[in-house]
Amino acid sequence: AQSVAQPEDQVNVAEGNPLTVKCTYSVSGNPYLFWYVQYPNRGLQFLLKYITGDNLVKGSYGFEAEFNKSQTSFHLKKPSALVSDSALYFCAVRVFVYNQGGKLIFGQGTELSVKP
Amino acid sequence: GAGVSQSPRYKVAKRGQDVALRCDPISGHVSLFWYQQALGQGPEFLTYFQNEAQLDKSGLPSDRFFAERPEGSVSTLKIQRTQQEDSAVYLCASSLYQAGATNTDTQYFGPGTRLTVL
Repeated sequence: AQSVAQPEDQVNVAEGNPLTVKCTYSVSGNPYLFWYVQYPNRGLQFLLKYITGDNLVKGSYGFEAEFNKSQTSFHLKKPSALVSDSALYFCAVRVFVYNQGGKLIFGQGTELSVKP
Repeated sequence: GAGVSQSPRYKVAKRGQDVALRCDPISGHVSLFWYQQALGQGPEFLTYFQNEAQLDKSGLPSDRFFAERPEGSVSTLKIQRTQQEDSAVYLCASSLYQAGATNTDTQYFGPGTRLTVL
């Protein structure tokens, strides 16, 4: 079965320090991987996605993610964290079934807290 | 342009009441998805529409849940005889193309409807 795991419920980082939010996946076939961010009382905002090609994917707001096939990981990173990055982050994998759409399977989410 | 909108943003229902949740996708988007997000959890898939056709309803938790998209644009998720376990945020997402084996376009989410069943 397809699944996504985010092993950390919470990540705490000081402003200006690099941040990493971890994600591992289990899929059959090629993985299509996504990161979304959720602010309080808001929907999910798309950050970036990996489809194919370069293992380092750059996205919105200075975020990037590194795809590692051998470790089945897709960790989200940012070189210098901002207080405004504090939010809930979700990793997701897209699952295809012929003629039934491409639903997303989400991880449990990681709460990122950036302190001044 | 405008994003995905959902209404109402908040809904309180007494147990046993019926509710209807509305989603307005991004104009021209073919695909529409509904997800349910319980407190402290990641979203979980409910159902998928390609234009007006409901191609996947495998995630609907019971026959009390019903979704439609009659003209291939606005969609409504209806929950009959609501139960406390239905309390969650209901998220709608749309994407431009139909979902196929090689389709990789992005799903854009609305702000969600927070349903509380008392």
